[in-house]
Amino acid sequence: AQSVTQPDIHITVSEGASLELRCNYSYGATPYLFWYVQSPGQGLQLLLKYFSGDTLVQGIKGFEAEFKRSQSSFNLRKPSVHWSDAAEYFCAVGAGTSYDKVIFGPGTSLSVIP
Amino acid sequence: SQTIHQWPATLVQPVGSPLSLECTVEGTSNPNLYWYRQAAGRGLQLLFYSVGIGQISSEVPQNLSASRPQDRQFILSSKKLLLSDSGFYLCAWSKGQTEAFFGQGTRLTVV
Repeated sequence: AQSVTQPDIHITVSEGASLELRCNYSYGATPYLFWYVQSPGQGLQLLLKYFSGDTLVQGIKGFEAEFKRSQSSFNLRKPSVHWSDAAEYFCAVGAGTSYDKVIFGPGTSLSVIP
Repeated sequence: SQTIHQWPATLVQPVGSPLSLECTVEGTSNPNLYWYRQAAGRGLQLLFYSVGIGQISSEVPQNLSASRPQDRQFILSSKKLLLSDSGFYLCAWSKGQTEAFFGQGTRLTVV
């Protein structure tokens, strides 16, 4: 069965520090991978996605993620965190026969210290 | 452009009462539709997804059901709500092999 794990439930970083959020997936075929961000009480906004091609993908708000097939990982990174980045981050995998089932990880809550 | 509407934004219902949450998508046809639940402090749990009218896949057996009476309409229902049904419900759509786009969510509190 398809699954997504995010080992870190909560991360706290100082403003200006670098950030890496971990994501591991379990899927038998080549996955479609996503990172979403959710502000409190809001819906989800797509940060970036990987379908094929270059394994390092750039997203909005200065985020990037790298797909590593050998490690079944899709970690999210940002070189310098801003206070406004404090939110919940979700990794997701598109699965199913036609990738029509989107499975989410449990999320990582990010706090930013001024 | 495509938009997704989900309502109501907030709902307080007594235990044992019925539930109906509605989601509609505009600007596209034959989308994949999804219902997710996000309990407090937890991730998104896929409840139902649909690839076409009348086609519903249930991911988690529970007190809820879903229906898709029209191409761009997805309804989440319950005949009798439980306290454990409280949470944040999100509707989403996707088309082909793309990312999912989310509505603003419904905060359901069962009292």
